[in-house]
Formats: sequence, C-alpha cells, structure tokens
Amino acid sequence: DAKTTQPTSMDCAEGRAANLPCNHSTISGNEYVYWYRQIHSQGPQYIIHGLKNNETNEMASLIITEDRKSSTLILPHATLRDTAVYYCIVRDSNTGNQFYFGTGTSLTVIP
Amino acid sequence: GAVVSQHPSWVICKSGTSVKIECRSLDFQATTMFWYRQFPKQSLMLMATSNEGSKATYEQGVEKDKFLINHASLTLSTLTVTSAHPEDSSFYICSASFSRYNEQFFGPGTRLTVL
Repeated sequence: DAKTTQPTSMDCAEGRAANLPCNHSTISGNEYVYWYRQIHSQGPQYIIHGLKNNETNEMASLIITEDRKSSTLILPHATLRDTAVYYCIVRDSNTGNQFYFGTGTSLTVIP
Repeated sequence: GAVVSQHPSWVICKSGTSVKIECRSLDFQATTMFWYRQFPKQSLMLMATSNEGSKATYEQGVEKDKFLINHASLTLSTLTVTSAHPEDSSFYICSASFSRYNEQFFGPGTRLTVL
C-alpha cells in the first residue's frame, strides 16, 4: 500500500477548525484514503474515507486533491475531546483490506 | 452499529504462561478480522489477517506458532499468546470488517503485562 506522510504533531484552538494534512504521492487508482483517530489507550475510531471526491459526514470533511496525491481532514469545530492521534491510511480493496498504520499526527486541542 | 468488543480489557500473567484474548463483532458478521499490536508511543502494527474458517495470514516477522489465531465463527476470533515473555507485553487490538470493501471497526484493546 502507498506510504503516507503526516506531520508529527499539531495544535488547534478549541472551537476553531482543525486541518490535518496527509501526503500520499504514490497512491494508485484503486486505493482509498481512510482516516482514523486513536484517543489514548483506546482502539482506533473510524472517521471518514474517500476515493477521489470530497466527502463529509457528521464528524469531519475529507478534501482530496484532484491528482489524489494529498488530502486534508477537516474537523470543523474542534473540541477538547478531539485531542487524539489521527492516522491517514491508504488501502487497495482489490488486493485485500489490510491497514498499515503510519505514525499519524498527534492533535492537541487547546482551551 | 458496528461494535467490536475484546475480552479481557487487561491481563497480567507470569512468564511462560499462555494468554487468550477474544474479539467479538457484536452486531454484524465479520468476514475478516485483524490483530494488531501497539507498543507505548508507537503506532499500530498489523500482526495477522484472519478469515472465518480458514488459517490466518501472518505479517512478516510475526511468529505464527507463538501467536495462535482462531476464527471459528463470523463473530469471534481469538488470539492466544503462547509461552508469554515480558517482551510480549503490549496493547493488543483487534478489528473486524464485514466486507473487503468496507472500513474496519476496532475493538477497545487488551493490555497484556507479562511479569
């Protein structure tokens, strides 16, 4: 699966939008972009996924660039409970649905 | 929906003993379950992929004779750490998927401490 690159850490003020970038420059046409987050000592929580169109759900928005080489997860109004490690993963469902986690971005929401 | 549970949530055992961890999909049938291991301050590392009724596929470097995986039904997979040693102490997390085209749903994790 394609390797992803994310910043190690980010801060965001409570109530503001948190924009988390992810680079996946070697992504192939069959690979989806998934976002999960992990709050300390818990299992990862699914956030959103997409192939090439922008996606939005009750948790977040996913913006994928036209060339699909990068994406941004947007938490529109960050709260203290959004403090977590956010993982961007690319996965090819045609070859299997394994997830290989990178190092993720540690997001801290500041009061 | 799509809830995955793990039991136990934590376990402490003596070196040399075996420990079994259960992973259940509570409200869906999981065609595939996955097992991960996470050491402190590190990311999740995929250990193996398990399909119901067939042998698990282990990732490179994971000893299949040490980490026994059984996926006997569409709602239950077990991971047995055999002859556990202190270096096996870790956070073990399972996930389940009801289709190869869908997202994985993760359990809450099991913290294993081997003394």
